[in-house]
This record gives sequence, structure tokens and C-alpha cells, in this order.
Amino acid sequence: DQQVKQNSPSLSVQEGRISILNCDYTNSMFDYFLWYKKYPAEGPTFLISISSIKDKNEDGRFTVFLNKSAKHLSLHIVPSQPGDSAVYFCAAIDAGGTSYGKLTFGQGTILTVHP
Amino acid sequence: NAGVMQNPRHLVRRRGQEARLRCSPMKGHSHVYWYRQLPEEGLKFMVYLQKENIIDESGMPKERFSAEFPKEGPSILRIQQVVRGDSAAYFCASSPPGGDTQYFGPGTRLTVL
Repeated sequence: DQQVKQNSPSLSVQEGRISILNCDYTNSMFDYFLWYKKYPAEGPTFLISISSIKDKNEDGRFTVFLNKSAKHLSLHIVPSQPGDSAVYFCAAIDAGGTSYGKLTFGQGTILTVHP
Repeated sequence: NAGVMQNPRHLVRRRGQEARLRCSPMKGHSHVYWYRQLPEEGLKFMVYLQKENIIDESGMPKERFSAEFPKEGPSILRIQQVVRGDSAAYFCASSPPGGDTQYFGPGTRLTVL
């Protein structure tokens, strides 16, 4: 049962353009969402997060949008840079879970930014 | 401020041996989480620990796997009698008390021959 889904396995974008990575979830108890970036042979690096009481959070080139009614969130990167090429994971925390803090991850989207 | 430390980075074991993976959380962090990433898959939660307490082990396989976070020293993930299916990347993350964001270590890549 995949509660967090990233339906696009890969995304290719030209340098300077916008990258939009999407994530859908099924558990209505998720109340905190995070995006992580991962390079090969390294651990995930935290990028940005959003609480369910907000619909947008911005940090530099990264903006996360949350649409609770659609159970959908997206990460926008603008402008995209070649160094952004990595695997991006969406993750969620269940407020009603037995242990607040357990992250449920999507399968990841491989972003490639071409010079 | 050092990040989350994991060692070893790479571990090779033969079937039937034991694997011990270590994790030192960031300074000031008292919550530790272990995740496993199998080839071609996303990260899957295994266990959540606080000092001397297991809070949630719902993602741990029922047999051969155990975890601890003693009062002193790193958190340990122990896998007894390893099998080839245990080959994966094991990531540790930590967070401060009351914190939502988890910070990950570089991972331990376990290969079972």
C-alpha cells in the first residue's frame, strides 16, 4: 500500500527553466510534508517542508505547494541548475500515527538538468 | 556541528554472519530513526528510538533484526544471520526533541555474499 506516490520516475529540464516535481498521498492524517534530495551513494539531504496548515512555503529557489483537498503537493525549482540533478523524495508524517516522526517516503523522481 | 555519522559506510558479510551498523546522531538530537532502501525502491521506515527506549518498531522484520539506542554511545542496528535479501542501504536519521525535520546520515551499504 503506497501511501505516498511520485508517479514520474524521471524528469528532464533545461538549465534556467522551472522544474516541477509532483507527489500525491492517500492518508488524510498526514499533516507535515518534506522534500529531500539525494545524490548517489549519499544520504538524503533535507530541502524544504510544509505544514498542513499552509498551502505554500518558499526558500530561495525552492517552493513547495500543498493542495490538501486534492492530497497533492509539488516542489518547484526555479531557475533549475545542473547541480540540482539528483533523486528527489517526497515524505510525509502521520499526525495520528503511533509515533509522530515516522516518515513515509515516495519512490523518488530522478531530476536531470541539462546545461 | 557534525552531522549524523554512520559507520561503517560499506559492510560485506557472508550469509549467516551478523551485521552491526552504527549511528551517532547530531549533537543535541535525542531521536533516532532507521530506514532501509532496497535496490530500485524508496526508503522504508524500520524503527524509531529515543535514548534507552524503542518508540516504534513497526517497520522492523519480526526476526533477526534488532535496534538499540543506549544511554551512552551510538545507536546500533543489528542483523543476525544475514541473508542475501538483507543487501541494501541502511540510513539513520536524527531529530531534536519536538522537531519535525529529520537529518540523515550518509548510510551504510550492506552487501551479503
